[in-house]
Formats: sequence, structure tokens, C-alpha cells
Amino acid sequence: KQEVTQIPAALSVPEGENLVLNCSFTDSAIYNLQWFRQDPGKGLTSLLLIQSSQREQTSGRLNASLDKSSGRSTLYIAASQPGDSATYLCAVFSGGYQKVTFGIGTKLQVIP
Amino acid sequence: NAGVTQTPKFQVLKTGQSMTLQCAQDMNHNSMYWYRQDPGMGLRLIYYSASEGTTDKGEVPNGYNVSRLNKREFSLRLESAAPSQTSVYFCASSVRTETGPLAKNIQYFGAGTRLSVL
Repeated sequence: KQEVTQIPAALSVPEGENLVLNCSFTDSAIYNLQWFRQDPGKGLTSLLLIQSSQREQTSGRLNASLDKSSGRSTLYIAASQPGDSATYLCAVFSGGYQKVTFGIGTKLQVIP
Repeated sequence: NAGVTQTPKFQVLKTGQSMTLQCAQDMNHNSMYWYRQDPGMGLRLIYYSASEGTTDKGEVPNGYNVSRLNKREFSLRLESAAPSQTSVYFCASSVRTETGPLAKNIQYFGAGTRLSVL
């Protein structure tokens, strides 16, 4: 059974700092991996999707990397801003609509 | 541009009551999903519908039923609510592009329904 772990569970950084969020998964046979953002009391917003054949994806200040062989993905946030404060979730899609496993998330606070 | 709309936003039920959570999407997506989110646990898939007219069980289907009414709407029904079903429920939709390792299946989520069963 696929298991997804996100470390750290919570992170507090000063504004402007670059930071890395980690996601690890136990079964490397994946189709793709998605990073989501969840604001308090809200739904999830997709940030980046990395296909299994890709190594990284970039969107603005966000960069996500994928190393299937080691079962790891990282989300890099450059020049963090208070508006980046949210919970970041990693989801692994292992094939088929039902084979999706979410991590518990990393709660990020960016202090002005 | 509404995206995925869920109703109601909040609901309190007594044990044994029934209710239906509604979900509608206006993005012409083929696939729709119901998840639950509990503290200390990742989102778990309850049911999904790969396309209009089909529904299948996810990881935690017990105690729930679903109906894919048409391409836009996917409802989740609790026939006899239990305290263990207290959770936040999310509906999502997606359109799958390509297949196999190149498949993209970006999911778009509603704002959630916060359900308490007393």
C-alpha cells in the first residue's frame, strides 16, 4: 500500500526566506505527483503536477522536483511571502482513478 | 467562473439521520470524486466517477452512496449518519489528458462541506 509522508509537519519562516518542503512515498510505481495548497477553511488548489517521466516543474516562485527511484519529491518556494502561508499537500497518483494517496501536509507560516 | 460548487457548506446531523451532499462542476470534466479529510490523516477517496454513468468505490466507501446524476453533478449520500462520519468532505473534478505515464489528471476542488454528526 502506498504511503506518503510529508516533513516537516509545520514550518515557520521569516519573509523572504527560501524554503523546501519534503514529500516521500513508499512505492515508486507512480503516474504523477501533485502539490496542492490548502488555505484554512478552503478547498485544495493545484500548484504543480509532475509526471513520472519528468524531473521537475516550475511555476513562478515554485519549483517541484521528483526522484522516483528514491521515492522523494520536494517543493521549493523562493523568496517566501506572508501570502504563502497555508498548508501544502502532496498527492501521489499510482495509476487508475482510485489510486491516489495524499500526505497529511506541511503547515507553513511566513512571518512578515 | 464557479468551478466546483458544493452545498451545503456546513451541516449538523443527529446519529441515524440521512442527508445528501451536492456537488456540481461547470468545467465539462469527465471525472468527479468525493474525499473526506480528517485531522491527522491525508485526504481519503470515498467514491469516484470516471465518466458519466459510472461510479466506483475508493478507499473508504462504507456508509456512503453516490449518484452521478449527469456530467455536471455528483452527489454523496449518507443513509444513516454515524459520529465516525464527522469530517470535512471535498468534491473534486478532473479531465484526464493522455494515458499511461504521460497522463495528466489535475484535480480541481470545491470549498468543502463541514459535517458534524452528534
